[in-house]
Amino acid sequence: AQSVAQPEDQVNVAEGNPLTVKCTYSVSGNPYLFWYVQYPNRGLQFLLKYITGDNLVKGSYGFEAEFNKSQTSFHLKKPSALVSDSALYFCAVRVLTGANNLFFGTGTRLTVIP
Amino acid sequence: DAGVIQSPRHEVTEMGQEVTLRCKPISGHDYLFWYRQTMMRGLELLIYFNNNVPIDDSGMPEDRFSAKMPNASFSTLKIQPSEPRDSAVYFCASSERGSYNEQFFGPGTRLTVL
Repeated sequence: AQSVAQPEDQVNVAEGNPLTVKCTYSVSGNPYLFWYVQYPNRGLQFLLKYITGDNLVKGSYGFEAEFNKSQTSFHLKKPSALVSDSALYFCAVRVLTGANNLFFGTGTRLTVIP
Repeated sequence: DAGVIQSPRHEVTEMGQEVTLRCKPISGHDYLFWYRQTMMRGLELLIYFNNNVPIDDSGMPEDRFSAKMPNASFSTLKIQPSEPRDSAVYFCASSERGSYNEQFFGPGTRLTVL
């Protein structure tokens, strides 16, 4: 069975500092991994994905994520946080040969403190 | 493209009434997904369609819920009769063919059942 874990419900970081939002996954095959962001009263917005190739994936708004197969992790990172990055972040996984639906984590609320 | 369109954006109804939520996916997308988001349960997949055919409805909570996709540009999610515990934000999302493709989410419908 597929699953995604986001171990932190809340992450606080000071503006200008690097940020990390953690994600680990459990799948029975090769994973496709995604990060989405949700701003208040909005739908989820795609940030980046890992399909194959380079383990470091770059996405929108300066975000990047590193796929680590041995640790089954896909942490989201940004070198310098902005107040406008404050939002709810979701990690999701899909199996290469599985159904087309995504399995979402429970979300991590990021607060960037000015 | 205008993105995924959902209507209404807000719906307030009384217990026992029928509620119909509407979704127009992005043109050319083969897949359509319905999700429900609540504080308690997070983001839940209710049902998804491929080329207008329901593929997996295992997430539909009860027989009170039904979804249709009569054509490639329109889908409905109906709740009859509605109950207070159905109060949530309902999202529609669509994606192109291929499990490596990201989903694009609509703005959501906030449903309140009194």
